[in-house]
Amino acid sequence: AQSVTQLGSHVSVSEGALVLLRCNYSSSVPPYLFWYVQYPNQGLQLLLKYTTGATLVKGINGFEAEFKKSETSFHLTKPSAHMSDAAEYFCAVSDLNRDDKIIFGKGTRLHILP
Amino acid sequence: ETGVTQSPTHLIKTRGQQVTLRCSSQSGHNTVSWYQQALGQGPQFIFQYYREEENGRGNFPPRFSGLQFPNYSSELNVNALELDDSALYLCASSLAGALIYEQYFGPGTRLTVT
Repeated sequence: AQSVTQLGSHVSVSEGALVLLRCNYSSSVPPYLFWYVQYPNQGLQLLLKYTTGATLVKGINGFEAEFKKSETSFHLTKPSAHMSDAAEYFCAVSDLNRDDKIIFGKGTRLHILP
Repeated sequence: ETGVTQSPTHLIKTRGQQVTLRCSSQSGHNTVSWYQQALGQGPQFIFQYYREEENGRGNFPPRFSGLQFPNYSSELNVNALELDDSALYLCASSLAGALIYEQYFGPGTRLTVT
């Protein structure tokens, strides 16, 4: 069975500081990994995805994540936080079967301090 | 291009009542998936509809049911509401055969059961 653990339900960083949101996964098969963002009163938006190939993936809004198989991690980073980054972020996993479902983590709410 | 829309945005119901939530898929999309996002949790897959038939279901009881119409819009019906049904209900649309992450989410319907 697949699962996702996000460390920290709330993370606060100062504007301009590094953003690091942690995600560890469990999967018996090579996983697809995703990060989604949810702004208030909006639906989920795909930030970035890892399927195969390069382990460092770049997404929208300056975010990137690195797939580390040895650590079963897929942490999300952004070099410099912006006030507009305040939102809830969800890490998710799926296997390579197109008919499978996405398993979401519980989410991390990112707060940006002025 | 019209995105995924959901109605109503908010809803308050009493335990034991029935509720119907609606979703209009993104233009050109023929598959609709529904998710339940309880407070402090990530979205959980309820079911998916394609060609007006249920095409996969998560771990939800039969009192959660759905419909898809010829124009690909969809309804989620929940009977005999329980307090634990209070959640944000998300709809996502995609094209049949699309990869699992190629789905677009609506803003959700916030259901409160008292």
